Amino acid sequence: AQSVTQLGSHVSVSEGALVLLRCNYSSSVPPYLFWYVQYPNQGLQLLLKYTSAATLVKGINGFEAEFKKSETSFHLTKPSAHMSDAAEYFCAVTLRTGANNLFFGTGTRLTVIP
Amino acid sequence: GAGVSQSPRYKVAKRGQDVALRCDPISGHVSLFWYQQALGQGPEFLTYFQNEAQLDKSGLPSDRFFAERPEGSVSTLKIQRTQQEDSAVYLCASSLQGIRDTQYFGPGTRLTVL
Repeated sequence: AQSVTQLGSHVSVSEGALVLLRCNYSSSVPPYLFWYVQYPNQGLQLLLKYTSAATLVKGINGFEAEFKKSETSFHLTKPSAHMSDAAEYFCAVTLRTGANNLFFGTGTRLTVIP
Repeated sequence: GAGVSQSPRYKVAKRGQDVALRCDPISGHVSLFWYQQALGQGPEFLTYFQNEAQLDKSGLPSDRFFAERPEGSVSTLKIQRTQQEDSAVYLCASSLQGIRDTQYFGPGTRLTVL
């Protein structure tokens, strides 16, 4: 079975500071991994995804994530936080074959302090 | 181009009422997914369609939940005899073809059962 664990349901950073949102996955085979962002009263928007090849994945809005198989992690980072980054972030996993859906973590709410 | 749309955006139902939630996917997207998102949680998979075929309904929580996509485009999620535990945001997503392609999410329907 596959699942993801997001460490920290709430993260606060100062504007301009590094953003680090943690995600660890559990999967018996190499998975696909995703980060989604959800703004209030809006649907989820894909930030980035890892499907194969490069382990460092760059996404929209300056975010990136690195797939580390040895640590079963896919942490999301951004060098400098903007006020507009305040939102809920979800990590998700799925199998490469035989799966019909994404398995989401419980989310991390990012607050950016001016 | 238009994204995924859902209607209504908000629905209040009395316990025991039937409700129908509509999803209009992105034109040309073969795959359609329904998720349920409880307050403070990540989305959880309900069901998956490829064109008009419902290929996976393993996430539907009970036989009160029914989904259809008769012409391979618009989909309806129906909940019969609603219960308070059905209160959640219901998200619809579509993708070009299957789980490997990016899922685009609608804004969701927030269902409140009184």
